[in-house]
Amino acid sequence: KAGVTQTPRYLIKTRGQQVTLSCSPISGHRSVSWYQQTPGQGLQFLFEYFSETQRNKGNFPGRFSGRQFSNSRSEMNVSTLELGDSALYLCASSTGDRGSTDTQYFGPGTRLTVL
Amino acid sequence: AQSVAQPEDQVNVAEGNPLTVKCTYSVSGNPYLFWYVQYPNRGLQFLLKYITGDNLVKGSYGFEAEFNKSQTSFHLKKPSALVSDSALYFCAVRAILTGGGNKLTFGTGTQLKVEL
Repeated sequence: KAGVTQTPRYLIKTRGQQVTLSCSPISGHRSVSWYQQTPGQGLQFLFEYFSETQRNKGNFPGRFSGRQFSNSRSEMNVSTLELGDSALYLCASSTGDRGSTDTQYFGPGTRLTVL
Repeated sequence: AQSVAQPEDQVNVAEGNPLTVKCTYSVSGNPYLFWYVQYPNRGLQFLLKYITGDNLVKGSYGFEAEFNKSQTSFHLKKPSALVSDSALYFCAVRAILTGGGNKLTFGTGTQLKVEL
């Protein structure tokens, strides 16, 4: 099976712009979670989508949003970019079945740099 | 709320020696615990997990982890380290959410350096 894929791998944006990141989960996985990784804050949970619905959300401002399509592919969007949004954004997929103990498998990440 | 602590920012070990990367956790209810490894400019790679059962969990690449409920620890171990094991290691605990779903809380990471 192919792993989790994320596009693009690298992005450079300027303050005030918006950006959209894409994630394709492992085939058959219906849950997609997003995490932000920075040197200062470490790995932080952004949100999770399951069957096209946001199921869980972390403590991030409303500038961070996402969605999931019927084929389980997910996008996250960051509007009005700030310098502090520079980070590695990681996507993870799992079966997501309720009550399961399944494992999240991560993609290679998108490195976002905000200038 | 759940939390994970990795008390060591860096662990140095000689190749061929055993290695231990420490992790302690705090969670209400039964813990679901994970170890991931990250190589430079890469995503996280799953190593192993503890859900229930045997306290010694075996994972990928010769790694294993020992779950200790009384000490709320989940230390990662390997009997004989390789230079190629040098990477950033993360311990994580999965939240048990009433609505179901996945949310991992990660430790701050431990940089493992294996030297010849």
